[in-house]
Amino acid sequence: EPEVTQTPSHQVTQMGQEVILRCVPISNHLYFYWYRQILGQKVEFLVSFYNNEISEKSEIFDDQFSVERPDGSNFTLKIRSTKLEDSAMYFCASTPIAGLSSTDTQYFGPGTRLTVL
Amino acid sequence: KQEVTQIPAALSVPEGENLVLNCSFTDSAIYNLQWFRQDPGKGLTSLLLIQSSQREQTSGRLNASLDKSSGRSTLYIAASQPGDSATYLCAVTFMEYGNKLVFGAGTILRVKS
Repeated sequence: EPEVTQTPSHQVTQMGQEVILRCVPISNHLYFYWYRQILGQKVEFLVSFYNNEISEKSEIFDDQFSVERPDGSNFTLKIRSTKLEDSAMYFCASTPIAGLSSTDTQYFGPGTRLTVL
Repeated sequence: KQEVTQIPAALSVPEGENLVLNCSFTDSAIYNLQWFRQDPGKGLTSLLLIQSSQREQTSGRLNASLDKSSGRSTLYIAASQPGDSATYLCAVTFMEYGNKLVFGAGTILRVKS
């Protein structure tokens, strides 16, 4: 069964460094998301992406964050200058069909645990 | 602000028991509701998706119901097993917010053998 994959599984970085988290969505999916979960807290939406541009973003997704689909398979989240509070599990998700009807299951990857020291 | 609430926060039951997890949401204008399972330190596994026009969905020992007008969903697990031990998350797609999922805090389930 196709699945969303994410690399690396765990990333440790120093405060102020740039990190890039990578995701490979399911191949025929069109709509992509990033969510994060700080330890002990709820899963929170960061950004959605469709047709090579951001569709929606949350208040969390400030200028330090960016997303990109550099080729036909990868979807990346970049944090320009990491802060201690960026430490969290970051999940990528995808759905097959875009649009506001939102009738599709969102399929989640296994996550990347980001630790900022 | 639209929110999703789950009760109880934690539940411990003996193996074989049937159980119900509850989810409530603040606005009946939703596209759909998803139940997920999360094992410690792991990703989210989708269990069931209920469209706003549906009343329930079933998969094996799991049955999810949706009462949109009252803003409630339940996840029923029949004949629980130790392997069901995990955190169960409810997530809603509100029409006001487009495609993004709004998550509850989850119910931590422990099934004792």
